[in-house]
Amino acid sequence: GEDVEQSLFLSVREGDSSVINCTYTDSSSTYLYWYKQEPGAGLQLLTYIFSNMDMKQDQRLTVLLNKKDKHLSLRIADTQTGDSAIYFCAEGDYAGNNRKLIWGLGTSLAVNP
Amino acid sequence: NAGVTQTPKFQVLKTGQSMTLQCAQDMNHNSMYWYRQDPGMGLRLIYYSASEGTTDKGEVPNGYNVSRLNKREFSLRLESAAPSQTSVYFCASSEGRRGLNTEAFFGQGTRLTVV
Repeated sequence: GEDVEQSLFLSVREGDSSVINCTYTDSSSTYLYWYKQEPGAGLQLLTYIFSNMDMKQDQRLTVLLNKKDKHLSLRIADTQTGDSAIYFCAEGDYAGNNRKLIWGLGTSLAVNP
Repeated sequence: NAGVTQTPKFQVLKTGQSMTLQCAQDMNHNSMYWYRQDPGMGLRLIYYSASEGTTDKGEVPNGYNVSRLNKREFSLRLESAAPSQTSVYFCASSEGRRGLNTEAFFGQGTRLTVV
């Protein structure tokens, strides 16, 4: 079945780059998403990439997509303590007329000063 | 600009009690979702509603019922709460139109404890 996998924890020093990785199985996915969840809050969309793109850059964020290996990564440049959160990878597909998201378990990013 | 509003934020229930979690969105979205989030389990879809008047089971529907009252509101009911339903519940909504990138907007969550 469809699956999305992420490593559970990542620890970096403030100012370093963070790279969060994700692999997925559904080759028919049209969109791939990164969501951020801060403590005690809901999830917010951080960025997304359409499946026909290889890379997307948005300020400090860079998303890389390797379709052949079904591998997605999120790079955060100059990581700050405010970036400490759980980051979820998700792939979007359609079930009938409804958009269905398959979620990874989330990567908990700890930024150390 | 409220987005997705869930009530209550916190709830403690005794085993066997019932309750309804309320969710409302003000973005005129077609699709609404209920998820539960548990440590080590990620987000699991309980029920979703692709449009007003329709509801469908997700990955973990047992023990829950839903009502799509109108386009804005989607409620989740626990008829007889069990300790296994202790979790954080999130409501989300999206435009839900096929062929478009439709971001999901999440509420702040309801932290439910069943004792």
